[in-house]
This record gives sequence, C-alpha cells and structure tokens, in this order.
Amino acid sequence: KQEVTQIPAALSVPEGENLVLNCSFTDSAIYNLQWFRQDPGKGLTSLLLIQSSQREQTSGRLNASLDKSSGRSTLYIAASQPGDSATYLCAVVALNRDDKIIFGKGTRLHILP
Amino acid sequence: NAGVTQTPKFQVLKTGQSMTLQCAQDMNHNSMYWYRQDPGMGLRLIYYSASEGTTDKGEVPNGYNVSRLNKREFSLRLESAAPSQTSVYFCASSGDPRGFYEQYFGPGTRLTVT
Repeated sequence: KQEVTQIPAALSVPEGENLVLNCSFTDSAIYNLQWFRQDPGKGLTSLLLIQSSQREQTSGRLNASLDKSSGRSTLYIAASQPGDSATYLCAVVALNRDDKIIFGKGTRLHILP
Repeated sequence: NAGVTQTPKFQVLKTGQSMTLQCAQDMNHNSMYWYRQDPGMGLRLIYYSASEGTTDKGEVPNGYNVSRLNKREFSLRLESAAPSQTSVYFCASSGDPRGFYEQYFGPGTRLTVT
C-alpha cells in the first residue's frame, strides 16, 4: 500500500532564507507527484506537477525534484517571503490496482518577518 | 472560468439527518473526486468518478453515496449523518482519469454533525 510521508510536520524560518520541504513515498512505481499549497480555511492550490519521467519542475521561486528510485521528492523555495506561509502537501498517483491519489499530511510552513 | 465550485460552504446537521453536497466544474474535466480532510489524518479520498456515468470507492466510502449527474456535476450524499462525519469536504477535478494532469480543488464545505 502506498504511503506518503512529509517531514517535518511544521517549520519556521526567517524571511529571505531558502528552504526545502521533503516528501517520501513507499512505492516507487508512480505516475506523477504533485505539490499543493493550502492556506488556512481554504482549498488546495496546485503548485507543481512532476510526471514520472521527469526529474524536476520549476515555477518562479519554486523548484520541485523527483527521485523515484529513492522514493523522494523535494520542494525548494528560494528567498522565502511571509506570503509563503501556508501548509504544503504532496500527493502521488501510484501504479496499484486502485490508482488512487495518495496525499501526505503536509508541512505547515511559517515565514518569520 | 469559476473552476471548481462547491455548495454549501458551511453546514450544521443533527445526527441522523441527511444532506447532499454539490460540486460543479467548468473545465470540461473527465475525473472528479470527493475528499475529506481531518486534523492529523490528512486528505482522504471518499469516492471518485473517472468519467461521466462511472463512480468508484476511495479509501473511506462508508456512510456516503455519490452521483455523477453529468460531466460537470458530482454530488456527495450523507444519508444518515454521524458525528464522525464532521469534517471539511473538498471536491476536485482533473483532466485525465488517472490523474496525469493537475488536480483542481474547490473551496471546501465545512460540515459539523452534532
């Protein structure tokens, strides 16, 4: 059964720092991995989608990498800003019988002004 | 484009009452999903519909039913609400039945069952 883990559960860093959020998954046979942002009381906003054949995707100050063999993905945020404060979730579509989308529990990020 | 819309935004039910959560998308997506989000449990898939006319169970389907009314609309019904169904419910859609493309989420429905 596919499991997705995000560590740490919460993170506080000063404004301006570069930071890395981690996502690990137990079954390396995946179709894609997606990173989301969730603000308090809101829905999820898609940030980056990495197909299984890709190694990384970039959007502005965000860069997501994928290493299927080790079952890991990282989300790199450059020059963090207070507006980046949110919960970040990763999700995978796995090659199993159900082909469900499995979410991690998220990392709650707080950028200190 | 409105994207994915959900109604209502908030709802309070008494145990045993029934209700239907509505979801609609205007992106011509094939797939639609219902999730619940609980503290410490993350997002869990309740039901999904890979295409109009098909529905499948997700991780936590007990106590729920769904209807894919047409390509745009996917509703979630609680026949006899229980306190354990207190949660935030999200609807999502994507363009590919296997989730190859991005999932787009609605703003959520916050449901309390007393």
